[in-house]
Amino acid sequence: KQEVTQIPAALSVPEGENLVLNCSFTDSAIYNLQWFRQDPGKGLTSLLLIQSSQREQTSGRLNASLDKSSGRSTLYIAASQPGDSATYLCAGAREGNTPLVFGKGTRLSVIA
Amino acid sequence: NAGVMQNPRHLVRRRGQEARLRCSPMKGHSHVYWYRQLPEEGLKFMVYLQKENIIDESGMPKERFSAEFPKEGPSILRIQQVVRGDSAAYFCASSPSGAWGQYFGPGTRLTVT
Repeated sequence: KQEVTQIPAALSVPEGENLVLNCSFTDSAIYNLQWFRQDPGKGLTSLLLIQSSQREQTSGRLNASLDKSSGRSTLYIAASQPGDSATYLCAGAREGNTPLVFGKGTRLSVIA
Repeated sequence: NAGVMQNPRHLVRRRGQEARLRCSPMKGHSHVYWYRQLPEEGLKFMVYLQKENIIDESGMPKERFSAEFPKEGPSILRIQQVVRGDSAAYFCASSPSGAWGQYFGPGTRLTVT
């Protein structure tokens, strides 16, 4: 049974810092992994999707990597801004079109 | 192309009443997933449907909960005889065929009084 863990649970950084959010999963038979952003009281916004055949994906200031052998993914945020403050969730799927298994998220605060 | 739509956004029900949550997937998406987010907990999978079929309902309580995705119209998550413990945010996601990720709606926040 897949379990997804995110560390740290909460993170507070000053504006402008580069930061890394960690996600680990127990079952390396992962087909793809998604990173999401959730603002308080809102839905989930998909940030990046990494297929199992890929090692990383980039979008603007965000870069996500996937290492299946070690069961880890990281989300790198460059030059953080107060608008990046949100909860970041990672989730893995065992196969295409299967349910996602979520971590509990990392709550990020970027202080101006 | 409109995103995943859910309604209502907020729903208040008294204990014992029924709650009906609706989800319209993105255009071209034939796969629908329902997840529940309890206060201070992560999102948990409930049920996965394709048109007219339930593919996986392993995360849905056996009693009081049901889901459908008819040939025409939105997917419906139905909760009968709601209890306070059903208070949560319910999210719907959709995906096209293949491994292209899931796209989430804004959620329905159910409060049971």
